[in-house]
Amino acid sequence: DGGITQSPKYLFRKEGQNVTLSCEQNLNHDAMYWYRQDPGQGLRLIYYSQIVNDFQKGDIAEGYSVSREKKESFPLTVTSAQKNPTAFYLCASKGGSSSYEQYFGPGTRLTVT
Amino acid sequence: AQTVTQSQPEMSVQEAETVTLSCTYDTSENNYYLFWYKQPPSRQMILVIRQEAYKQQNATENRFSVNFQKAAKSFSLKISDSQLGDTAMYFCAFMKHHRGGSNYKLTFGKGTLLTVNP
Repeated sequence: DGGITQSPKYLFRKEGQNVTLSCEQNLNHDAMYWYRQDPGQGLRLIYYSQIVNDFQKGDIAEGYSVSREKKESFPLTVTSAQKNPTAFYLCASKGGSSSYEQYFGPGTRLTVT
Repeated sequence: AQTVTQSQPEMSVQEAETVTLSCTYDTSENNYYLFWYKQPPSRQMILVIRQEAYKQQNATENRFSVNFQKAAKSFSLKISDSQLGDTAMYFCAFMKHHRGGSNYKLTFGKGTLLTVNP
């Protein structure tokens, strides 16, 4: 089945540790996105990538890093520099320039203590 | 920068009745897209309906329809014959229309929690 997978569903880390969230898609989509969701908030864009080996900062990129070495994969690293990393993280992808719909993965809930 | 405002943090409706969720947005763009996404308790984001700003006709998808008022920058969602499975957080979102490669960034409102009561 085509879709977007994010693993794991729940992730726990100690403060000061970097952690990488996985996002994989088999939709052959060019663009991929990472969003953060906090209680009572909409989704906020962290990073996005339109093609392999290229990515841009979104609205809240500080404390995060990404890579896009393969079309199918767009991992997000939450670094120790991120002040409030506990949140729900959603990955999305979008097809070519004629398509404007973003399709979302199931999300990863990260808890840092 | 674009902003999206959903003024109703929570709403409730009886099963089989109709409910309308409000959304307003602020932009200087003329061409754009508007979306309603649903996030049920599973937290999976699901696209409910979309509207192209250049289209005057309001979009409909089965029991879901929108009232798009471009001049007023308003984009409300009407859910008819509400079902228990409609219980979810609903997000309104905005995207600029782009020519060629660009970021297609979505700007979201803070959401409206809709509860459908039996």
